Amino acid sequence: TQLLEQSPQFLSIQEGENLTVYCNSSSVFSSLQWYRQEPGEGPVLLVTVVTGGEVKKLKRLTFQFGDARKDSSLHITAAQPGDTGLYLCAGDPSGAGSYQLTFGKGTKLSVIP
Amino acid sequence: NAGVMQNPRHLVRRRGQEARLRCSPMKGHSHVYWYRQLPEEGLKFMVYLQKENIIDESGMPKERFSAEFPKEGPSILRIQQVVRGDSAAYFCASSPQHSNTEAFFGQGTRLTVV
Repeated sequence: TQLLEQSPQFLSIQEGENLTVYCNSSSVFSSLQWYRQEPGEGPVLLVTVVTGGEVKKLKRLTFQFGDARKDSSLHITAAQPGDTGLYLCAGDPSGAGSYQLTFGKGTKLSVIP
Repeated sequence: NAGVMQNPRHLVRRRGQEARLRCSPMKGHSHVYWYRQLPEEGLKFMVYLQKENIIDESGMPKERFSAEFPKEGPSILRIQQVVRGDSAAYFCASSPQHSNTEAFFGQGTRLTVV
């Protein structure tokens, strides 16, 4: 059983469209992080959300942490080909400041010009 | 202003050989974490080290795998007698102090066992 479920697994959209990807769990997380990973590269941290209900914006990307701190979403407005990549969510389910990040399997996004 | 440096980027080994993966953390970072990413799988925690100490190796297979982070030099992940199932991308992350919110990942080493 995957502790962090990400959906959809794959997403292919046209440039300019909006999209939302999800990260869900039955466990409470003290914080959740979103990463983007490009082929052949390591994950790059985009944002960390800590407070239930928190919304963070990073240019065209909007991240939301669920009120119960069990889920998160990433919304991209007017997607561009440069947004193509694997989007990973990760967190520590124990809430004890563990260094063992648990990762979801990711959403593979393709933005077609 | 170098980030986390991993080498080699690609490593091919025959079954039964040894693989050594190196990770130089960011300057000023004394905490290193190793993760493994299998095809179509998420990253899985393997081991957490501080300088000269293994703090938690609960995610690392008990046999054939070992890790070290000496006082001087890079952290090394060593896989002895590699098997095909060891083929994966191995990522190292570092942080200035124990933190699960401020770790920075390297580009990874892609190990292929033939």
